[in-house]
Amino acid sequence: QVQLVESGGGLVKPGGSLRLSCAASGFNFGAYYMTWIRQAPGKGLEWVSYISASGSTISYADSVKGRFTISRDNAENSLYLQMNSLRAEDTAVYYCAREKVSWSLFWRFDVWGRGSLVTVSS
Amino acid sequence: QSALTQPASVSGSPGQSITISCIGTSSDIGGSNYVSWYQQHPGKAPQLIIYDLNNRPSGVSSRFSGSKSGNTASLTISGLQAEDEADYYCSSYTINSGVFGGGTKLTVL
Repeated sequence: QVQLVESGGGLVKPGGSLRLSCAASGFNFGAYYMTWIRQAPGKGLEWVSYISASGSTISYADSVKGRFTISRDNAENSLYLQMNSLRAEDTAVYYCAREKVSWSLFWRFDVWGRGSLVTVSS
Repeated sequence: QSALTQPASVSGSPGQSITISCIGTSSDIGGSNYVSWYQQHPGKAPQLIIYDLNNRPSGVSSRFSGSKSGNTASLTISGLQAEDEADYYCSSYTINSGVFGGGTKLTVL
């Protein structure tokens, strides 16, 4: 079935780095825009970054620009988020999510992973 | 991009109808038909329940409906059931980006 599974979260010190992965299955991964969305404990959803189906178009929220890097490997059906210079305020559950319709991005995310918790603390 | 404005909480009794508002601007909700709503139960990932203003994905109950007037989108849940108790988030597409609402906690009394 259609599925996204995140991994790579954990506890990291301020200023440290972490790489999240999102393994996709059950659909033509290479045809979909993918996003990372995070949720701080007890807070709402915050868009982090998106990448086009081919990887040629990328965008970041201002809060992570210059520190986070999104990438994808369509041959491996995988999405990644490299997070550097981590801060306490980056503590959150990070979800990868798929845009509903292939080859488009209209902020309709119909498939979500279960999330990966990132905790930034000394 | 500022977050869309939602009430922090709403409540209703089983069988009643409730409406959750989502206030944006002409740059997002007012200028877009790509408004979506998500339901999130505690400890779970969000689930898409309304997209493109008033369309439901397969498997989502017809008790959920969406609408828009000007810069405000609304989610209506009719015939409230206990399992509807959850957090609800609106979102809107803007040019080359998008924005979420702050979320609304629905309590079924």
